[in-house]
Amino acid sequence: EAGVAQSPRYKIIEKRQSVAFWCNPISGHATLYWYQQILGQGPKLLIQFQNNGVVDDSQLPKDRFSAERLKGVDSTLKIQPAKLEDSAVYLCASSSHKGTRPYNEQFFGPGTRLTVL
Amino acid sequence: DQQVKQNSPSLSVQEGRISILNCDYTNSMFDYFLWYKKYPAEGPTFLISISSIKDKNEDGRFTVFLNKSAKHLSLHIVPSQPGDSAVYFCAASRLGSARQLTFGSGTQLTVLP
Repeated sequence: EAGVAQSPRYKIIEKRQSVAFWCNPISGHATLYWYQQILGQGPKLLIQFQNNGVVDDSQLPKDRFSAERLKGVDSTLKIQPAKLEDSAVYLCASSSHKGTRPYNEQFFGPGTRLTVL
Repeated sequence: DQQVKQNSPSLSVQEGRISILNCDYTNSMFDYFLWYKKYPAEGPTFLISISSIKDKNEDGRFTVFLNKSAKHLSLHIVPSQPGDSAVYFCAASRLGSARQLTFGSGTQLTVLP
């Protein structure tokens, strides 16, 4: 079974530029998450999708960040314009919410490391 | 407000010995706890979990202990192996939050050969 795919793996941009990240979740996984992981910190949830609807985007800085999940499969996360403090690893994860497990095992992609200069 | 805390940023252990990683939480509504392991340039991978109705869960060399009254959990790795060297994240989940995960800041474990 293929894992969560993300691209690009690395991106370096100047502040005030725009950037977009792409995520392809595990096939059949209805729930998709975007996390921001700043160096030395744990992943922080930015947005959660259930199919193509937003479940929670309360921690997404909506003045500069946007995300979409058209057709309930792939997703893109965009930053426009970028600030220095956006330098981080952006992780995408997916889960199925199926089976007997009552907890939410999320499967993570390798992440995109963003450096804003 | 950090609801899940890992106060030790790093831990070094000799190969074959026990590694103990600690995690504290403040939200009493958390009812599931998970440990994730992360290697450099890879995403976190699920390691082991525990429900709040249990105080121990074991999977091979990995055991997680939960002390609800102290709001504390720990991950024991016995025996530790060099391949266990990674960053370990504690995460917590609660009902009514769409099962979102709240992560600690991680502990870098180094197992010395």
